[in-house]
Amino acid sequence: DGGITQSPKYLFRKEGQNVTLSCEQNLNHDAMYWYRQDPGQGLRLIYYSQIVNDFQKGDIAEGYSVSREKKESFPLTVTSAQKNPTAFYLCASFGYSNQPQHFGDGTRLSIL
Amino acid sequence: AQTVTQSQPEMSVQEAETVTLSCTYDTSESDYYLFWYKQPPSRQMILVIRQEAYKQQNATENRFSVNFQKAAKSFSLKISDSQLGDAAMYFCAYRSAPYNTDKLIFGTGTRLQVFP
Repeated sequence: DGGITQSPKYLFRKEGQNVTLSCEQNLNHDAMYWYRQDPGQGLRLIYYSQIVNDFQKGDIAEGYSVSREKKESFPLTVTSAQKNPTAFYLCASFGYSNQPQHFGDGTRLSIL
Repeated sequence: AQTVTQSQPEMSVQEAETVTLSCTYDTSESDYYLFWYKQPPSRQMILVIRQEAYKQQNATENRFSVNFQKAAKSFSLKISDSQLGDAAMYFCAYRSAPYNTDKLIFGTGTRLQVFP
């Protein structure tokens, strides 16, 4: 079945540590997105990528980095510069103009 | 910039009754898409219903329907015959149609409780 796989489901970060969240899709979608969700808030866009080897900052990109070396993969690194990383992170992909985004099941990141 | 507002942080409904969730948005664009997503406790984002702005007819998916008022920039979701499984966070979202970036702009959500 086609879909988006995010891993791990839960992740803990130590002070000063970088951590990477994985997002893989087998939908053959060109565009991929990372969103952050905090309690009581909607989803906010961190980074997005329309094609391989290209990506753009979203609304809250500071303290995060991404890469898009393969169409199927769009990993998100939460760097030590992100002072408040505790949140739920959702990855999504998009293929055609009249279709909605597909979402992964998310990763919950907490600070140790 | 486009914005999406959900003014009801929480709503409740009795099982089998009908409930309406409100959403307003602000945009200067004429062509766009609107969505309602459901997020149950599992945190999955599940598409409930979608509306294209150029379509005057309100979208319907089984027990879910929308009241799309383009001039008023309003996009409410009606859930008929509410079921316990409808309990979740509901997010209204906006997307510009002509652009390939497909950035979704979300409201802050409405938590729906369903009582037996």
